[in-house]
Amino acid sequence: GAGVSQTPSNKVTEKGKYVELRCDPISGHTALYWYRQSLGQGPEFLIYFQGTGAADDSGLPNDRFFAVRPEGSVSTLKIQRTERGDSAVYLCASSQGVGETQYFGPGTRLLVL
Amino acid sequence: QKEVEQNSGPLSVPEGAIASLNCTYSDRGSQSFFWYRQYSGKSPELIMFIYSNGDKEDGRFTAQLNKASQYVSLLIRDSQPSDSATYLCAVPRGSYIPTFGRGTSLIVHP
Repeated sequence: GAGVSQTPSNKVTEKGKYVELRCDPISGHTALYWYRQSLGQGPEFLIYFQGTGAADDSGLPNDRFFAVRPEGSVSTLKIQRTERGDSAVYLCASSQGVGETQYFGPGTRLLVL
Repeated sequence: QKEVEQNSGPLSVPEGAIASLNCTYSDRGSQSFFWYRQYSGKSPELIMFIYSNGDKEDGRFTAQLNKASQYVSLLIRDSQPSDSATYLCAVPRGSYIPTFGRGTSLIVHP
Protein backbone atom coordinates (compact mmCIF):
# COMPACT_ATOMS: atom_id res chain seq x y z
CA GLY A 1 0.00 0.00 0.00
CA ALA A 2 0.96 3.66 -0.15
CA GLY A 3 3.44 5.01 2.34
CA VAL A 4 3.50 8.36 4.08
CA SER A 5 3.35 11.20 1.60
CA GLN A 6 4.31 14.84 2.11
CA THR A 7 3.70 17.88 0.01
CA PRO A 8 5.30 19.96 -1.26
CA SER A 9 8.61 18.15 -1.60
CA ASN A 10 10.39 21.50 -1.72
CA LYS A 11 9.31 24.94 -0.59
CA VAL A 12 11.19 28.20 -1.01
CA THR A 13 9.78 31.22 0.75
CA GLU A 14 10.84 34.63 1.91
CA LYS A 15 11.47 35.65 5.48
CA GLY A 16 8.26 36.70 7.17
CA LYS A 17 5.95 34.64 4.96
CA TYR A 18 3.49 31.95 6.08
CA VAL A 19 3.87 28.34 4.95
CA GLU A 20 1.84 25.16 5.26
CA LEU A 21 3.31 21.69 5.00
CA ARG A 22 1.06 18.69 4.48
CA CYS A 23 1.38 15.10 5.60
CA ASP A 24 -0.77 12.19 4.47
CA PRO A 25 -0.14 9.20 6.75
CA ILE A 26 -0.50 5.52 6.01
CA SER A 27 -4.17 4.61 5.98
CA GLY A 28 -5.33 3.38 9.37
CA HIS A 29 -2.39 4.79 11.31
CA THR A 30 -3.70 6.64 14.34
CA ALA A 31 -0.43 8.21 15.46
CA LEU A 32 1.27 10.95 13.44
CA TYR A 33 4.53 12.73 14.22
CA TRP A 34 6.30 15.81 12.91
CA TYR A 35 10.07 16.20 13.08
CA ARG A 36 12.55 18.76 11.81
CA GLN A 37 15.98 17.77 10.58
CA SER A 38 18.79 20.23 10.00
CA LEU A 39 21.89 19.36 8.00
CA GLY A 40 24.18 17.02 9.90
CA GLN A 41 21.71 16.49 12.72
CA GLY A 42 19.22 13.82 13.64
CA PRO A 43 15.47 14.45 13.43
CA GLU A 44 14.19 16.73 16.17
CA PHE A 45 10.71 16.02 17.52
CA LEU A 46 8.11 18.75 17.09
CA ILE A 47 4.63 17.37 17.80
CA TYR A 48 2.69 14.13 17.84
CA PHE A 49 -0.99 13.40 17.31
CA GLN A 50 -3.02 10.49 18.54
CA GLY A 51 -6.16 10.68 16.46
CA THR A 52 -7.25 14.29 16.10
CA GLY A 53 -5.65 15.62 19.24
CA ALA A 54 -2.11 16.79 19.81
CA ALA A 55 -0.88 14.39 22.48
CA ASP A 56 2.51 16.04 22.87
CA ASP A 57 3.51 19.39 21.38
CA SER A 58 6.50 19.97 23.62
CA GLY A 59 8.90 20.07 20.68
CA LEU A 60 7.36 23.07 18.92
CA PRO A 61 10.07 25.74 19.17
CA ASN A 62 7.74 28.73 19.63
CA ASP A 63 4.23 29.97 18.94
CA ARG A 64 4.98 30.58 15.26
CA PHE A 65 4.61 26.84 14.77
CA PHE A 66 1.23 25.14 14.84
CA ALA A 67 -0.12 21.84 13.57
CA VAL A 68 -3.57 20.39 13.06
CA ARG A 69 -5.10 17.04 12.22
CA PRO A 70 -8.81 17.82 12.09
CA GLU A 71 -10.13 14.47 10.89
CA GLY A 72 -7.50 12.19 12.36
CA SER A 73 -5.79 11.54 9.04
CA VAL A 74 -4.06 14.31 7.07
CA SER A 75 -2.05 16.77 9.12
CA THR A 76 -0.82 20.26 8.31
CA LEU A 77 2.16 21.95 9.93
CA LYS A 78 1.82 25.72 9.79
CA ILE A 79 4.68 28.17 10.25
CA GLN A 80 3.96 31.88 10.61
CA ARG A 81 6.42 34.71 10.03
CA THR A 82 9.10 32.34 8.79
CA GLU A 83 12.72 32.98 9.73
CA ARG A 84 15.91 31.86 8.00
CA GLY A 85 16.56 29.53 10.94
CA ASP A 86 13.40 27.61 10.05
CA SER A 87 15.15 26.24 6.96
CA ALA A 88 15.33 22.47 7.35
CA VAL A 89 13.76 19.24 6.19
CA TYR A 90 10.41 18.69 7.85
CA LEU A 91 9.66 15.01 8.27
CA CYS A 92 6.35 13.38 9.01
CA ALA A 93 5.96 9.85 10.32
CA SER A 94 3.00 7.67 11.20
CA SER A 95 2.47 4.50 13.18
CA GLN A 96 -0.42 2.16 13.86
CA GLY A 97 -0.41 3.27 17.44
CA VAL A 98 1.79 4.79 20.09
CA GLY A 99 4.99 2.83 20.50
CA GLU A 100 4.58 1.04 17.18
CA THR A 101 7.12 1.28 14.37
CA GLN A 102 7.19 4.73 12.80
CA TYR A 103 7.24 5.04 9.01
CA PHE A 104 8.68 8.27 7.68
CA GLY A 105 7.60 10.25 4.68
CA PRO A 106 10.10 11.70 2.17
CA GLY A 107 10.11 15.08 3.88
CA THR A 108 9.55 18.67 2.78
CA ARG A 109 12.69 20.72 2.25
CA LEU A 110 11.95 24.25 3.40
CA LEU A 111 14.27 27.09 2.47
CA VAL A 112 13.62 30.53 3.90
CA LEU A 113 15.46 33.27 2.07
CA GLN B 1 25.33 16.29 28.08
CA LYS B 2 23.10 15.51 25.12
CA GLU B 3 20.47 12.83 25.64
CA VAL B 4 21.77 10.63 22.82
CA GLU B 5 25.33 10.91 21.60
CA GLN B 6 26.94 9.50 18.49
CA ASN B 7 30.23 10.13 16.78
CA SER B 8 29.40 11.88 13.53
CA GLY B 9 32.18 10.08 11.65
CA PRO B 10 32.60 9.36 8.86
CA LEU B 11 33.45 5.78 9.66
CA SER B 12 35.17 4.23 6.67
CA VAL B 13 35.47 0.46 6.33
CA PRO B 14 36.45 -1.80 3.44
CA GLU B 15 33.87 -4.01 1.80
CA GLY B 16 33.44 -7.27 3.70
CA ALA B 17 34.61 -5.86 7.03
CA ILE B 18 32.59 -5.42 10.23
CA ALA B 19 31.34 -1.89 10.83
CA SER B 20 30.80 -0.96 14.48
CA LEU B 21 28.59 2.00 15.32
CA ASN B 22 28.20 3.25 18.87
CA CYS B 23 25.70 5.31 20.79
CA THR B 24 25.50 6.46 24.40
CA TYR B 25 22.44 7.80 26.19
CA SER B 26 21.88 9.77 29.37
CA ASP B 27 18.52 8.55 30.71
CA ARG B 28 19.10 5.49 32.88
CA GLY B 29 15.38 4.73 32.76
CA SER B 30 15.33 4.18 29.01
CA GLN B 31 13.85 0.83 28.09
CA SER B 32 14.00 0.57 24.33
CA PHE B 33 16.52 1.51 21.69
CA PHE B 34 16.28 1.89 17.95
CA TRP B 35 18.64 2.06 15.00
CA TYR B 36 17.56 3.85 11.83
CA ARG B 37 19.36 4.01 8.51
CA GLN B 38 19.15 7.18 6.43
CA TYR B 39 20.49 7.33 2.90
CA SER B 40 21.57 10.73 1.65
CA GLY B 41 18.54 12.82 0.73
CA LYS B 42 16.12 10.18 1.96
CA SER B 43 14.08 9.67 5.11
CA PRO B 44 15.05 7.43 8.03
CA GLU B 45 14.00 3.77 8.05
CA LEU B 46 13.97 1.51 11.09
CA ILE B 47 16.42 -1.39 10.84
CA MET B 48 16.76 -2.69 14.40
CA PHE B 49 15.30 -2.30 17.87
CA ILE B 50 16.40 -3.82 21.14
CA TYR B 51 14.90 -3.89 24.63
CA SER B 52 17.00 -6.35 26.62
CA ASN B 53 20.62 -6.36 27.63
CA GLY B 54 22.80 -8.42 25.36
CA ASP B 55 22.78 -9.01 21.64
CA LYS B 56 20.02 -9.15 19.07
CA GLU B 57 20.81 -10.44 15.61
CA ASP B 58 18.93 -9.88 12.36
CA GLY B 59 20.73 -11.02 9.25
CA ARG B 60 23.99 -9.11 8.93
CA PHE B 61 22.97 -6.69 11.69
CA THR B 62 23.55 -7.15 15.42
CA ALA B 63 22.40 -4.69 18.05
CA GLN B 64 24.17 -4.78 21.40
CA LEU B 65 22.79 -3.19 24.55
CA ASN B 66 24.54 -2.54 27.84
CA LYS B 67 22.19 -0.69 30.19
CA ALA B 68 24.69 -0.51 33.04
CA SER B 69 27.12 1.39 30.83
CA GLN B 70 24.34 3.19 28.96
CA TYR B 71 25.47 2.34 25.49
CA VAL B 72 24.00 0.61 22.51
CA SER B 73 25.89 -0.42 19.42
CA LEU B 74 25.15 -1.69 15.94
CA LEU B 75 27.43 -4.14 14.18
CA ILE B 76 27.17 -4.69 10.45
CA ARG B 77 28.91 -7.83 9.26
CA ASP B 78 30.17 -8.33 5.72
CA SER B 79 29.69 -4.61 5.00
CA GLN B 80 28.58 -3.75 1.48
CA PRO B 81 28.85 -0.44 -0.42
CA SER B 82 25.04 -0.33 -0.27
CA ASP B 83 25.33 -0.04 3.53
CA SER B 84 26.88 3.41 3.08
CA ALA B 85 24.47 5.72 4.85
CA THR B 86 23.98 7.63 8.09
CA TYR B 87 22.94 5.47 11.03
CA LEU B 88 20.77 7.14 13.65
CA CYS B 89 20.43 5.90 17.19
CA ALA B 90 17.09 6.72 18.84
CA VAL B 91 16.01 6.38 22.44
CA PRO B 92 12.32 6.97 23.25
CA ARG B 93 11.47 9.18 26.15
CA GLY B 94 8.25 9.00 28.06
CA SER B 95 5.48 8.62 25.50
CA TYR B 96 7.48 6.65 22.94
CA ILE B 97 8.74 9.75 21.18
CA PRO B 98 12.27 8.92 20.01
CA THR B 99 15.14 11.26 20.75
CA PHE B 100 17.61 10.89 17.92
CA GLY B 101 21.36 11.21 17.97
CA ARG B 102 23.03 13.21 15.22
CA GLY B 103 23.90 10.02 13.36
CA THR B 104 27.13 8.38 12.27
CA SER B 105 28.05 8.47 8.60
CA LEU B 106 29.27 5.09 7.35
CA ILE B 107 31.24 4.71 4.14
CA VAL B 108 31.92 1.21 2.83
CA HIS B 109 34.53 1.33 0.09
CA PRO B 110 35.06 -1.45 -2.47
